[in-house]
Amino acid sequence: DQQVKQNSPSLSVQEGRISILNCDYTNSMFDYFLWYKKYPAEGPTFLISISSIKDKNEDGRFTVFLNKSAKHLSLHIVPSQPGDSAVYFCAARGYNTDKLIFGTGTRLQVFP
Amino acid sequence: NAGVTQTPKFQVLKTGQSMTLQCAQDMNHEYMSWYRQDPGMGLRLIHYSVGAGITDQGEVPNGYNVSRSTTEDFPLRLLSAAPSQTSVYFCASSYSNRDRYNSPLHFGNGTRLTVT
Repeated sequence: DQQVKQNSPSLSVQEGRISILNCDYTNSMFDYFLWYKKYPAEGPTFLISISSIKDKNEDGRFTVFLNKSAKHLSLHIVPSQPGDSAVYFCAARGYNTDKLIFGTGTRLQVFP
Repeated sequence: NAGVTQTPKFQVLKTGQSMTLQCAQDMNHEYMSWYRQDPGMGLRLIHYSVGAGITDQGEVPNGYNVSRSTTEDFPLRLLSAAPSQTSVYFCASSYSNRDRYNSPLHFGNGTRLTVT
């Protein structure tokens, strides 16, 4: 049973516009959420995170929003750049564990 | 700092062969884990460890063994390789229970394994 879901396998956005990547989770015990970016032939790299006590966290062009009642988080990239083209994974961790559970990923393509 | 180092980068095995994927980190991280990445399946947790001498199963542990004799190393063993274990394997580490909301996982660059 997939506890972390990314229902859009791919997303295509024009350079300069906003990219919105979505993630849903089912486990109400999750209290820490992260986004990772992955380029081909490399390991995932940490992008941004949010704890369950917040509903928004911003870092430069990247903002993560958390809606606990809907069990939904989203990553906004503004403005999108061609270098943002990668696979993005959301991940979640429960308050009593170090295990990080990942979603299936969304491939973002930013075109000129 | 080298971060998380995985060896080998590529490996081809025949069905039934055994091998060990190596993982080492130099960040003094307590927590280490192994994931496999398959198309359409994302990253799935195989095994993890919260410290030397402690290991536990993740989402897809069957066919794999791990041990954690030191803080730095966390090898993954395939006892009898099967074609279903063809995948890209990632090792990752982080601090454990320290500053809980500021300890993301750090990943190695992966081992691409093909079982024929």
